[in-house]
Parts: sequence; C-alpha cells; structure tokens
Amino acid sequence: TQLLEQSPQFLSIQEGENLTVYCNSSSVFSSLQWYRQEPGEGPVLLVTVVTGGEVKKLKRLTFQFGDARKDSSLHITAAQPGDTGLYLCAGLYNFNKFYFGSGTKLNVKP
Amino acid sequence: DTGVSQNPRHKITKRGQNVTFRCDPISEHNRLYWYRQTLGQGPEFLTYFQNEAQLEKSRLLSDRFSAERPKGSFSTLEIQRTEQGDSAMYLCASSLGGGQGEYGYTFGSGTRLTVV
Repeated sequence: TQLLEQSPQFLSIQEGENLTVYCNSSSVFSSLQWYRQEPGEGPVLLVTVVTGGEVKKLKRLTFQFGDARKDSSLHITAAQPGDTGLYLCAGLYNFNKFYFGSGTKLNVKP
Repeated sequence: DTGVSQNPRHKITKRGQNVTFRCDPISEHNRLYWYRQTLGQGPEFLTYFQNEAQLEKSRLLSDRFSAERPKGSFSTLEIQRTEQGDSAMYLCASSLGGGQGEYGYTFGSGTRLTVV
C-alpha cells in the first residue's frame, strides 16, 4: 500500500528551467521530509517540515507542507545538472517511522 | 567518519544460500531502521530498533528474515534461503528518536543484493 503518491514519476528538463514536484496522501502526517538519492547511494535528507502551511527555502529549493499536513511540494528554481537525481518524500506516521513515496526521477540536461 | 556504514556494498549469492548484512549507525543515534528498495520504487520499511529492542517488523519481513541489534550498537540483517525476489538494495538508517519527527534519517550507502 502506497501511502504517498509522488508526481510526476519522471521529469526531464533543460538547465535553467523551473520545476515543481508533488507529494500527496489521504493520510495526515506528523511531519514530512524530502530526500534526494543518487544511483547506488542512500537517500540524503534535504528538509523536514512539521507545521501545516510551513514553507522552507534551501537556496534554489522551496518546500511547502500543506495546511492539512497531507501533501507537500518541492519547487526548484533555475535547475542545474547537479540537481539530477531521485527526489523522495517521506511522511512520519504514528511518530515512529517514515513511509516513502515512489519518487520523482529528475534529469536536468546541460 | 560519523556517517552510517553498511557492509558489504554488494553481494551476489546463489538462490537458497544465507546472507548477512551489517550496519554501523551514528553512535549518538538510538534508533536504527532497515528498509528495502527495488528499482523504480521508494524505500519500503522492514523493521526498526530503539536501542537494542526491536519495536516493529513489517509484514514484508517473512520468517526467512531476521534482524538483531545486540547492545544497541551495530545491527545485522540475515536472510535465510534467499530467493530471486529478495534481490534489492537494503538500506540502513539511524536517527534520534522521539519528538515530532523533526530528526531525519541518516542513511548508509546500502547493500545491493543480487540472487542468481
């Protein structure tokens, strides 16, 4: 059972373009995290959002947690080839473990 | 190095053999998690420990799988009588427990298992 749905599954864009990826669920999460994973490596934590409506910025990345704490988005401004990777959202359920979405595979072409 | 260490990085085994993976977490972290990831999917929860106690096991973890965390430090994941469907990346993560989930996971680089 996939608690978290991510869209789009794949995204291929040119360097300099903006993009948004989405993470949706019918469940309410205590907190939500975004990770980036490169091939053959483990995911690396980018950000944690805890409060409904919260917006966090990390350089060119903007993360938003929905008011009802069921959804989140990640917006990247002026994408660079170094942003290429698998972006995963993960929701904390019952305060003990995170459930992961299937990910958005991003390819930024130079 | 204060990261999470997993060994081996790669393991190729014949169907029916037993395999064991090791994870060394960040020493200050009291929680340790095992996840499994197949191609094109996000990590799926297998089990987690708080200190030495195994607090939860997923239904994905059949009787052929066992995990231990003696003394609340490193952990091992053993798969007995491996099947081709066990082929996946096995990820270990550690974190500080408690709070509202503001503490993220630190993942290791994973162990890639191939069952032939």
